[in-house]
Amino acid sequence: EAGVVQSPRYKIIEKKQPVAFWCNPISGHNTLYWYRQNLGQGPELLIRYENEEAVDDSQLPKDRFSAERLKGVDSTLKIQPAELGDSAVYLCASSLGGVSYEQFFGPGTRLTVL
Amino acid sequence: AQKVTQAQTEISVVEKEDVTLDCVYETRDTTYYLFWYKQPPSGELVFLIRRNSFDEQNEISGRYSWNFQKSTSSFNFTITASQVVDSAVYFCALSEARYSSASKIIFGSGTRLSIRP
Repeated sequence: EAGVVQSPRYKIIEKKQPVAFWCNPISGHNTLYWYRQNLGQGPELLIRYENEEAVDDSQLPKDRFSAERLKGVDSTLKIQPAELGDSAVYLCASSLGGVSYEQFFGPGTRLTVL
Repeated sequence: AQKVTQAQTEISVVEKEDVTLDCVYETRDTTYYLFWYKQPPSGELVFLIRRNSFDEQNEISGRYSWNFQKSTSSFNFTITASQVVDSAVYFCALSEARYSSASKIIFGSGTRLSIRP
């Protein structure tokens, strides 16, 4: 069974440029998470989807970040415009149904903003 | 409010030693779940264990064991006879099992474990 797929794995951009990350969760997993992980810290939840509904986006900086999960399967996270402080690893995870279940993580996208 | 504290930022032990990683949590909910994840140098987080708040039975899986104590709000992880391959960052996480949109998940800051040959 395929795991969580993310692309790209690495991205280097200049500040003020837009960037997008893509995630395909494990088949059948209704819940999809986007996290940001800064160096030496734990994952910080940005947004959580239950199917196509964003049920927790309280930590998403909505002035520059947006996300969508059309058809309740794969998802895209966008930053526009990127700032230096956005440099981090962006992780996507999925679980069978809600936060009570264990999550399966993708390899992450390492974003560097210059 | 939820909180997960992993006070040990880094631990270094010699191979074959036993090591315990501490996790202390705070929640006002009576129903919640606790997790441990491993993040090896490759970077991908790997699920290790899930525990619900009503099950305080300790669990053993090979060289890994977990001690859940509600009285001290702790969910500690012990590796027996550590091996170099255990070197990684370990995260403890807490989720509150409310109705879907109110459920929250939070990770601790992690403990970096180094096993020296």
